[in-house]
Amino acid sequence: QSALTQPASVSGSPGQSITISCTGTSSDVGNYNYVSWYQQHPGKAPKLMIYEVSNRPSGVSNRFSGSKSGNTASLTISGLQAEDEADYYCSSYTSTSTVVFGGGTKLTVL
Amino acid sequence: EVQLVESGGALVQPGRSLRLSCTASGFSFGDYAMSWVRQAPGKGLEWVGFIRSKAYGGTTEYAASVKGRFTISRDDSKSIAYLQMNSLKIEDTAVYYCTRDWIQLWLPGSGYWGQGTLVTVSS
Repeated sequence: QSALTQPASVSGSPGQSITISCTGTSSDVGNYNYVSWYQQHPGKAPKLMIYEVSNRPSGVSNRFSGSKSGNTASLTISGLQAEDEADYYCSSYTSTSTVVFGGGTKLTVL
Repeated sequence: EVQLVESGGALVQPGRSLRLSCTASGFSFGDYAMSWVRQAPGKGLEWVGFIRSKAYGGTTEYAASVKGRFTISRDDSKSIAYLQMNSLKIEDTAVYYCTRDWIQLWLPGSGYWGQGTLVTVSS
């Protein structure tokens, strides 16, 4: 199972919106609504930000939203804040009952 | 409150074995699938494998990179999941996380994470 494809880096200014893409195949992202997004700050464990494509766990800001179209899922962060600077990963359940992660995207808040 | 605490990480020589433990609390452990995810130094997240709950057969699935070398098991009476790692390679060096899905009992998701335990494979 190949890793999902994410851009290596994205950046934005405070207050702006950014979108991170996550491209898979019909064996994972395209066929299952079990796509999740994680935020990881340096030295910390990842934190779930979005589950099942577009659902936010309790306690996660509504500035974070998720969507999916075909084999590509997306994470949008609106009203960028300095604290949003982190690494972001997507994951998807797959047709072989496994999980695949994306390579990660480093978000820089300018 | 859901808590996952990993233990057992260590420095180990290539070819040797190591067993990690994940002690869970705050939920009905036996009802949920439990997963392991690792992260090599400076690298991204890599899914390792998971074990289903007994209600779903208690069976396991693994990433190709560890299949045949790693074994996941569980002791529901103690609320502990294990990751037995055999024939360790230098490329297995990573922080290993125990995870559980946010809401689904059967899904090998990672809604909850432990703090991780470091495994270093080196001669």
